[in-house]
Amino acid sequence: EPEVTQTPSHQVTQMGQEVILRCVPISNHLYFYWYRQILGQKVEFLVSFYNNEISEKSEIFDDQFSVERPDGSNFTLKIRSTKLEDSAMYFCASSETGNTIYFGEGSWLTVV
Amino acid sequence: SQQGEEDPQALSIQEGENATMNCSYKTSINNLQWYRQNSGRGLVHLILIRSNEREKHSGRLRVTLDTSKKSSSLLITASRAADTASYFCATDAFDYKLSFGAGTTVTVRA
Repeated sequence: EPEVTQTPSHQVTQMGQEVILRCVPISNHLYFYWYRQILGQKVEFLVSFYNNEISEKSEIFDDQFSVERPDGSNFTLKIRSTKLEDSAMYFCASSETGNTIYFGEGSWLTVV
Repeated sequence: SQQGEEDPQALSIQEGENATMNCSYKTSINNLQWYRQNSGRGLVHLILIRSNEREKHSGRLRVTLDTSKKSSSLLITASRAADTASYFCATDAFDYKLSFGAGTTVTVRA
């Protein structure tokens, strides 16, 4: 069964460093998303991406965040200068029509 | 905010029993989806119910939606130890972004 794959599964980074989280969405999907879940808290929407541009973003998705679809298969989330409060599980997701949304296994980011 | 809120926060049942959890939300929705998350793992999509649907089944799962009460329920029948997980409802309002609730943690005792 097709699935969303994410790398790395876990990354530890120093505060202030740049991090890139990578995702391979399901191949025929057109809508792409990043969500995050701080330990013990709700899953929060960060950004949605369609037709090579951001379609929606939350207030969490400030200037230190960016997304890119560099080729036909990858979808990346970059955090420019990480802060301690960026420590979370980051989920990539994709959808064919924008209805059913499938999530990856997540990338644990720990900022120290 | 249209976030779903699940009830109860935690549920402990014996294997073989049914588990029922509820979700309430605040504003009009397009779809409501239920997800399962095992500890520290990804979100597994269980079922989507559209705003014009009242009930859907998938295997041992039964989901209902009452848009007049802005609520949904998820029933897991004949629970198994492998059903131990957190269950989340998530709503979208024609904007292709999901709002998640805090989840119900279900523990199935052998």
